[in-house]
Amino acid sequence: DAGITQSPRHKVTETGTPVTLRCHQTENHRYMYWYRQDPGHGLRLIHYSYGVKDTDKGEVSDGYSVSRSKTEDFLLTLESATSSQTSVYFCAISEATPREQYFGPGTRLLVL
Amino acid sequence: KNEVEQSPQNLTAQEGEFITINCSYSVGISALHWLQQHPGGGIVSLFMLSSGKKKHGRLIATINIQEKHSSLHITASHPRDSAVYICAVAGAGNQFYFGTGTSLTVIP
Repeated sequence: DAGITQSPRHKVTETGTPVTLRCHQTENHRYMYWYRQDPGHGLRLIHYSYGVKDTDKGEVSDGYSVSRSKTEDFLLTLESATSSQTSVYFCAISEATPREQYFGPGTRLLVL
Repeated sequence: KNEVEQSPQNLTAQEGEFITINCSYSVGISALHWLQQHPGGGIVSLFMLSSGKKKHGRLIATINIQEKHSSLHITASHPRDSAVYICAVAGAGNQFYFGTGTSLTVIP
């Protein structure tokens, strides 16, 4: 299994609070992705990174920001969490594009 | 409008049956992926293909670029194959589009 971890694995927070999710990899892969998974929508790309400090928006980026200061870490921040951001968040990595993506275990976020 | 459509949404099969899951897409792609999501939530990549056919054990994936269609076949299905199977395409600009998945249950 590719070395990808996500933290926290579960989080409950209140509307309006900031939340940061962390994705950590030990594979030295260039590309990292953040997705959210919701019933009826499948996986949707939030943001991705193609190198340190290089990021770009995905399909559903509103309300989210990301940072990548090191190859191994990709942070997803919800500046002011809303109930619509209740979801399961997956991080993924790949060596190049298009290449196989390896997924982290997911983070379940509940915004009350 | 979904860029990736899968069928069927749900599928129940008896152990040993031959299973086919279909994926159609509407965008230009550089590659198509089949993923498996286990009941516990973990996602595993099964195949990446850009033409032709690939086989891994009892799993076979095919793609027809002209028709923008791919199929995932499972031969001699087993209860441990029960999972959600997701089709994803790599489009332009490093964008990925995912189908909503096919939930497969294989009954002993």
